[in-house]
Amino acid sequence: DTAVSQTPKYLVTQMGNDKSIKCEQNLGHDTMYWYKQDSKKFLKIMFSYNNKELIINETVPNRFSPKSPDKAHLNLHINSLELGDSAVYFCASSQGTSGRSDTQYFGPGTRLTVL
Amino acid sequence: AQSVAQPEDQVNVAEGNPLTVKCTYSVSGNPYLFWYVQYPNRGLQFLLKYITGDNLVKGSYGFEAEFNKSQTSFHLKKPSALVSDSALYFCAPGGGATNKLIFGTGTLLAVQP
Repeated sequence: DTAVSQTPKYLVTQMGNDKSIKCEQNLGHDTMYWYKQDSKKFLKIMFSYNNKELIINETVPNRFSPKSPDKAHLNLHINSLELGDSAVYFCASSQGTSGRSDTQYFGPGTRLTVL
Repeated sequence: AQSVAQPEDQVNVAEGNPLTVKCTYSVSGNPYLFWYVQYPNRGLQFLLKYITGDNLVKGSYGFEAEFNKSQTSFHLKKPSALVSDSALYFCAPGGGATNKLIFGTGTLLAVQP
């Protein structure tokens, strides 16, 4: 009964390729997020969607495009991968944003390695 | 703008001893403060949060945190450390209009048997 799941768990690819990471939550939450954790373990928000609407877009290169087909899914597509994109990408979800203190629940992460 | 500081990269403690992982924050308005733990090669797990009310917040796995408004701190504590508590701990102010979490740099807790 995984609450927030991501696929794939590991992704190894060449520079210049395009790849996608998928995220699904079965918690019935309205809001989903993408975070990036770099090699120094620093975590930073990238995007969030609330009911399929983009609400956070944090100075992320436009090679990164989130897509939310429904409120249970938030996928991350990355074009023209670069070495600096190597990181662990975490998906998270929360009940919503209206409460301003909603707990975010994280997926297991996708480790992306760009060669 | 919100910011957070975790002044210790690593905290070492002997099993059975009390532990404290420090966090100070800067937020405008009422703070919503979270602690998460990350075990090796795992995702982040929610430990506890402060929204309002009692300054001492109890969370998962026997952890608690004390909110101190005058010192703008939200230190994580546990009375008796376990080896299995060894992990990376993140403090994060959250909330705001978008519920965005601003993570600290993390503190690695190492509990020696």
